[in-house]
Amino acid sequence: EIVMTQSPATLSVSPGERATLSCRASQSISINLAWYQQKVGQAPRLLFYGASTRATGIPARFSGSGSGTEFTLTISSLQSEDSGVYYCQHYNTWPRYTFGQGTKLEMK
Amino acid sequence: EVQLVESGGGLEQPGGSLRLSCAASGFTLRSYAMTWVRQAPGKGLELVSSFTGGVSSTYYADSVKGRFTISRDTSRNTLYLQMSSLRVEDTGVYYCARVGDPGGFDYWGQGTLVTVSS
Repeated sequence: EIVMTQSPATLSVSPGERATLSCRASQSISINLAWYQQKVGQAPRLLFYGASTRATGIPARFSGSGSGTEFTLTISSLQSEDSGVYYCQHYNTWPRYTFGQGTKLEMK
Repeated sequence: EVQLVESGGGLEQPGGSLRLSCAASGFTLRSYAMTWVRQAPGKGLELVSSFTGGVSSTYYADSVKGRFTISRDTSRNTLYLQMSSLRVEDTGVYYCARVGDPGGFDYWGQGTLVTVSS
C-alpha cells in the first residue's frame, strides 16, 4: 500500500501571505495525485488532479506542483475562506487509493 | 447538474446493520466508478469501498471486508452500502463520491452520519 504523508500537520498563515503544504508518497506515483479542501461541516472538495490541474471553479491563487514522490500545494495570497483541512490522495493503483492525514490551515 | 445525496445513516448497536443509499443525478452511474469514503469524528478520510462502473467489480478496505457490501441499482441510479456486523469503530460520516476521469473524486455527497454505540 502506498502511504501518503503530509506536512506540516498544522499551518498558521496571515491573510495575504503565501501558504505551502507538502505531500510525500512512499513510492513513485508519477502525477497521479489529487488535492482536496475540506471546511468544517462540509464534504471535501476537489482542488487538483494530475498534481497540477485545477478542478472546475478553483481560483488561480491555488497552484499544485510535483511528480514522483514529492508534491506541493501553494496558496499564493491567503484569503479568510481558505481555512480548512487539506488532503492529498494518490490514484496510482486503482482501487487502492489512499489519502494523506491532512494539513489544517489556520489564519494567523 | 451533478448531485449525490446520501441517506440511511443513524444510530445502531454493535453487531447491527444499516444500509446507506447514494442517489445520483446529472450523470449515469453505469458510466463512472463510485466510492464510499468515511471520516471518523475528528479524523481523516478513509476509502471504504469502490464499485468500478463498466465491469461491476468491487473493492473493500481490509477494515470492512466481509462485513460491508457495495452495490448499485442502475434503474434507480443509486449506489448502496450494506453494512453489517457493525463495530464502534465504524462510527463516522460516510460520503459517496464519484471517481472523475482522469482522476480524483470530482463530486461528493453531503455525507450521512453513522453512529455505532450501545
